[in-house]
Amino acid sequence: GEDVEQSLFLSVREGDSSVINCTYTDSSSTYLYWYKQEPGAGLQLLTYIFSNMDMKQDQRLTVLLNKKDKHLSLRIADTQTGDSAIYFCAERSGGSYIPTFGRGTSLIVHP
Amino acid sequence: DTAVSQTPKYLVTQMGNDKSIKCEQNLGHDTMYWYKQDSKKFLKIMFSYNNKELIINETVPNRFSPKSPDKAHLNLHINSLELGDSAVYFCASSQDSTDDNEKLFFGSGTQLSVL
Repeated sequence: GEDVEQSLFLSVREGDSSVINCTYTDSSSTYLYWYKQEPGAGLQLLTYIFSNMDMKQDQRLTVLLNKKDKHLSLRIADTQTGDSAIYFCAERSGGSYIPTFGRGTSLIVHP
Repeated sequence: DTAVSQTPKYLVTQMGNDKSIKCEQNLGHDTMYWYKQDSKKFLKIMFSYNNKELIINETVPNRFSPKSPDKAHLNLHINSLELGDSAVYFCASSQDSTDDNEKLFFGSGTQLSVL
């Protein structure tokens, strides 16, 4: 299986909360990241969390980390149409400085 | 003022040709990367380079070669292009590969189509 896994699609209604999930396999992961890719553009870092943290909040974004289950989630509150994009989970382990990316989750926000 | 810029944005070429994609970063970063994103959006590291070492993903064919004239540039040369090389290629940079919290800054991508 892949090192970082995500579901491929998520569809939500505008104003609802979105939760994008990610699982990873490397127990030595130090940092975990969420990147956003809008159509025709490169990836942009949204937020990150260090592996000794359980939660990180940044305005409408909440990151939850369950290190025991190797599960990471990104919650977007009050989802807007402008949030429609592909969201990539990435992890970086202590053994390599190169992040490994998941396949991305396409978030579709409809009115 | 673009932080990481790559050219061209689109590249359409015939099988067997040799082509280059250029990348420049003005962030003063030490490390640059090339990623390949396939049609299913899977993002795979191809190369990582700083002034100390080049790390090559062993699955990358040797038809692909990175060239770095200075630390602000990392160009990607591709020889004898094949249909399967069609993808979006992203350049990225980061401050210091030894820093645990490594944040990548990406270019906007080069869509390569091999006919």
